[in-house]
Amino acid sequence: NAGVTQTPKFRVLKTGQSMTLLCAQDMNHEYMYWYRQDPGMGLRLIHYSVGEGTTAKGEVPDGYNVSRLKKQNFLLGLESAAPSQTSVYFCASSYRDRPNYGYTFGSGTRLTVV
Amino acid sequence: QQQVKQSPQSLIVQKGGISIINCAYENTAFDYFPWYQQFPGKGPALLIAIRPDVSEKKEGRFTISFNKSAKQFSLHIMDSQPGDSATYFCAGGVSGTYKYIFGTGTRLKVLA
Repeated sequence: NAGVTQTPKFRVLKTGQSMTLLCAQDMNHEYMYWYRQDPGMGLRLIHYSVGEGTTAKGEVPDGYNVSRLKKQNFLLGLESAAPSQTSVYFCASSYRDRPNYGYTFGSGTRLTVV
Repeated sequence: QQQVKQSPQSLIVQKGGISIINCAYENTAFDYFPWYQQFPGKGPALLIAIRPDVSEKKEGRFTISFNKSAKQFSLHIMDSQPGDSATYFCAGGVSGTYKYIFGTGTRLKVLA
């Protein structure tokens, strides 16, 4: 049981480049999330999805796009990377109706934009 | 207001001591308060959670104390061990919705 798998684990981008972060979960969770973690700012929600084909904006969505074409996958895209997007990105997933199970997080993607 | 304020930002405790991390929330609609533990290079993992209908929940060495009137809750780690050294996040949210508000995290270091 792999849980939540994120790829890649590390990436360095030049300003203006684009990339896609991949997230896959094998727990049949309905909800999926993308967070960014920055020192002193905790975990901030970028986008989330409550089901296949649906996405919504979180707290800090600017500069990012997402897609959830399959229930098990949630993709985060950066169209034109900026140094302010240097961060550690975490994907998470959860059941729709079992809050006591909490979120399952991936191990993160460390992104540096130079 | 949606914020969850967490303190301290960092904490150093001797082995065997008690670690205490505090959180305060503003949204009175919140009815679920989980704590997450994150080791370096890993994603956060659910540690323990509480609902506001109880004032305390204990799981092993970890205890959550909840004060509904003050809108505050805290994590106590009894007999702290070096293996407890990690970053701890509190969070608040409304059951049945799909997102929680996280605190800014507390980096705990337990000295051997």
